[in-house]
Formats: sequence, structure tokens, C-alpha cells
Amino acid sequence: EPEVTQTPSHQVTQMGQEVILRCVPISNHLYFYWYRQILGQKVEFLVSFYNNEISEKSEIFDDQFSVERPDGSNFTLKIRSTKLEDSAMYFCATRLAGANEQFFGPGTRLTVL
Amino acid sequence: GQNIDQPTEMTATEGAIVQINCTYQTSGFNGLFWYQQHAGEAPTFLSYNVLDGLEEKGRFSSFLSRSKGYSYLLLKELQMKDSASYLCAVFGDYKLSFGAGTTVTVRA
Repeated sequence: EPEVTQTPSHQVTQMGQEVILRCVPISNHLYFYWYRQILGQKVEFLVSFYNNEISEKSEIFDDQFSVERPDGSNFTLKIRSTKLEDSAMYFCATRLAGANEQFFGPGTRLTVL
Repeated sequence: GQNIDQPTEMTATEGAIVQINCTYQTSGFNGLFWYQQHAGEAPTFLSYNVLDGLEEKGRFSSFLSRSKGYSYLLLKELQMKDSASYLCAVFGDYKLSFGAGTTVTVRA
């Protein structure tokens, strides 16, 4: 069964460093999302992406964050200058056009020191 | 804004039934989802309701009342592996908004 994959599974970085989290969507899915979950807290929406454009973004998704689909397969989330409070699990999710279910990847655990 | 409420914790015995309630007030509504999440793992899809009524899927059922802003997830014949967090989420305005999750503990 096709699934969303994410790399790396764990990322440790120093405060102020840039990180890029990668997601490979299910091949025929066209809608892409990033969510994050701080330890012990709820899953929070960051951004949705369709047709190479951001459809919606949350207040969390400030100028330090960006998304792109550089090569037509990978979908990336970049954090330009990480802060301690960016430490969280980051989940990529994708869905088919016309469908409702979002399929989540296994997540990247980001730890900012 | 989005406001999605569900109980924090529930405990039940193996073989029993548990009902997890969710109330929501959201700016947009295109459906309500229930996800299961084991600790340290990604959410996995359980059910989706967009019309009022009950959707049954094996041991899991989900109910929606749009006029009341209310849903529940019913877990029947509980098994130890059902111990997890259950997340109520509303899809609207191009995004899923999640509740804080209900941690269900199944005791032998």
C-alpha cells in the first residue's frame, strides 16, 4: 500500500540553524500539508499547498517557514533560523483531489538545542 | 476561530464499549474526522462524517450532528491494542483543526 514517507526521522540542530524537512507524497496525491505536534500537545496545522502555491497557512507559519516542491516529487518544509520552541514532531500529510482523507507520514522529530 | 473539545482521558475494560464525545465550533465545516494516534507515531485515519448520522466501520462507529456541533466515536469490543489517543478533527478552510485528543486506556 502506498504511503507518505518523511526524512529524516530525527533531526537535532542548534538554535539559529536552518533545517529542511522532506516529504515524499503518495504519487497521485495533489494536496499537501504540514502539521506539527509539540510533545504532549495537540496536532497543529501549519500550511496547505496545492498546484505549487500555498492555499492556507496558520499564524505559526511565519516568515521563518517556507515550503516548496523543488523537483515535482519531494515536498519540503524549511525553517530558516530555528528556535527552541520549534522542537516538535513535524508531520507531512497528503490527499487525493476530490477525496477527504489525509494520509500522514511517520513524522520528523526535530530537536532544537 | 476553531474550538474543538473532547475529554482528556478515558479508561475502559477489555471487551467493553467506550464512547468519546467531541464538540466543535469552527468557522468552516467540510467534514469531521477521527484519527487514532499511538505515542510517538503519526495519526492514522479511522472515520469521516460529513452528513448527519452514524457511520459504522467494523468495531468503530462515528456519529455526527452538524446542528449541534457534536460527534462521537464509539469503540466496541475493546482490545488492549486500542489503547491510544483518539483525535477529533474538523476539516474546513483548507485545513484540519484538531482537538487535544482523548487518551483511552484499556485494562485487562
